[in-house]
Amino acid sequence: AQKITQTQPGMFVQEKEAVTLDCTYDTSDPSYGLFWYKQPSSGEMIFLIYQGSYDQQNATEGRYSLNFQKARKSANLVISASQLGDSAMYFCAMRGPITGANSKLTFGKGITLSVRP
Amino acid sequence: ETGVTQSPTHLIKTRGQQVTLRCSSQSGHNTVSWYQQALGQGPQFIFQYYREEENGRGNFPPRFSGLQFPNYSSELNVNALELDDSALYLCASSWEPGLAGSYNEQFFGPGTRLTVL
Repeated sequence: AQKITQTQPGMFVQEKEAVTLDCTYDTSDPSYGLFWYKQPSSGEMIFLIYQGSYDQQNATEGRYSLNFQKARKSANLVISASQLGDSAMYFCAMRGPITGANSKLTFGKGITLSVRP
Repeated sequence: ETGVTQSPTHLIKTRGQQVTLRCSSQSGHNTVSWYQQALGQGPQFIFQYYREEENGRGNFPPRFSGLQFPNYSSELNVNALELDDSALYLCASSWEPGLAGSYNEQFFGPGTRLTVL
C-alpha cells in the first residue's frame, strides 16, 4: 500500500522568501511518481511539479523545485521567491507503479501555506 | 483553467437521497478519475474509468457508482446518502496509453461541493 505523510502545521513565509514543504512517502513499488498540487480556496487542484522514481535529477518548474531523496523516501517542495498568490493548500501525491492497472493518486493531508506581505 | 468542467458546483441533499454529479473531461482524454475530499483532508480515490470501463476502485461502498460515456464524460452516482458523504467531489481527466510508459498528468476540475443534511 502507498502512503503519503505531510505533518507540518500551517506554514508562514514572508513574501519574496523561499519556503520548503515536507513530504515523506512509503511504497513497496520499485517504480512510482511523485506529484505536488496546489489547491486555492476555490477548490481546483493545480498541478505544480512531478518527479519520477528513476529520474536522476531533481525536478524543477519555474519557482518550484522538488528535493527528492529516494533513500529517505522524501520529496520536499521548495518554492522560491514566494508571492502572495502562493497562499493555498499544498498536497503531495503518489502514483505507482508505472505498469499499474490504474493511475490513481494517493494524496497526503496537505499543508496550508500563508504568504505574508 | 484545465478544460475539465463539473456540474453542479454546489448541491444540498438530505440523508437517504440519491445524487448524480457530472464531469466533462478535457478534449482528447480517455480516462476520468473521481476523488472525494472531506473538509481538511486530502482527496481520496473513489474509482477510475478508462475507455468506458471501471479501471480500479478505492475503498468506497457499492452505493458509489459511475459511468463513462463514449465522449469520455463521466457521472458519479451516490445512493442512500449519508451525512459523511458531505465533501468536495473532484474529477480528473487524463490520457492514458494503456501500456507501460510515462506518467501523464491528471487535470482536475473545480469540484462539486455536496452537503448532506
